[in-house]
Amino acid sequence: KAGVTQTPRYLIKTRGQQVTLSCSPISGHRSVSWYQQTPGQGLQFLFEYFSETQRNKGNFPGRFSGRQFSNSRSEMNVSTLELGDSALYLCASSLTGTPNEQFFGPGTRLTVL
Amino acid sequence: DQQVKQNSPSLSVQEGRISILNCDYTNSMFDYFLWYKKYPAEGPTFLISISSIKDKNEDGRFTVFLNKSAKHLSLHIVPSQPGDSAVYFCAASGLTQGGSEKLVFGKGTKLTVNP
Repeated sequence: KAGVTQTPRYLIKTRGQQVTLSCSPISGHRSVSWYQQTPGQGLQFLFEYFSETQRNKGNFPGRFSGRQFSNSRSEMNVSTLELGDSALYLCASSLTGTPNEQFFGPGTRLTVL
Repeated sequence: DQQVKQNSPSLSVQEGRISILNCDYTNSMFDYFLWYKKYPAEGPTFLISISSIKDKNEDGRFTVFLNKSAKHLSLHIVPSQPGDSAVYFCAASGLTQGGSEKLVFGKGTKLTVNP
């Protein structure tokens, strides 16, 4: 069974640009959660999508948005990039969203210059 | 405010000895706790969990202890092996201040096991 895949793995952008990250969950999983990992803040929850609907949201500004498609694949978009958005963005999938069933992808390393 | 705290950014132990990683939480609504291990360039992988109705859960070399009155949990690794060297994240699940249920992570503790 293929694991969670994230593309691209690495990305370099400049301030003010926008970026879209993609996450393909494990086959059959309907929940996809996104996290931001930075050295100073650890893993912070961005949002969770379940069956194409945003079910949970963290404390991030509106520049961070996401969506989920009918095949459960999810995208995360960050507009008007800031230097502080440089981080590892992780997505995790699960069947129902139950925390103990989450499987993480390898992450996308975003660097904002 | 940080609801899950791992106050030790790093820990170094000798191979064969015990590693103890600590975690404190502030939200009494948390009812499920997890530990994840993360190697560089990989996503976190689930290690062990414990429900708030228990005070101990053991899985091989890994044991998690929960002290609800102190809002404290710890992960014990015995014996420690060099392959255990990684960043360990404590996470908690339950109703948060916003009224939703989600996984809240600590900042992580980098464990180094020296041969």
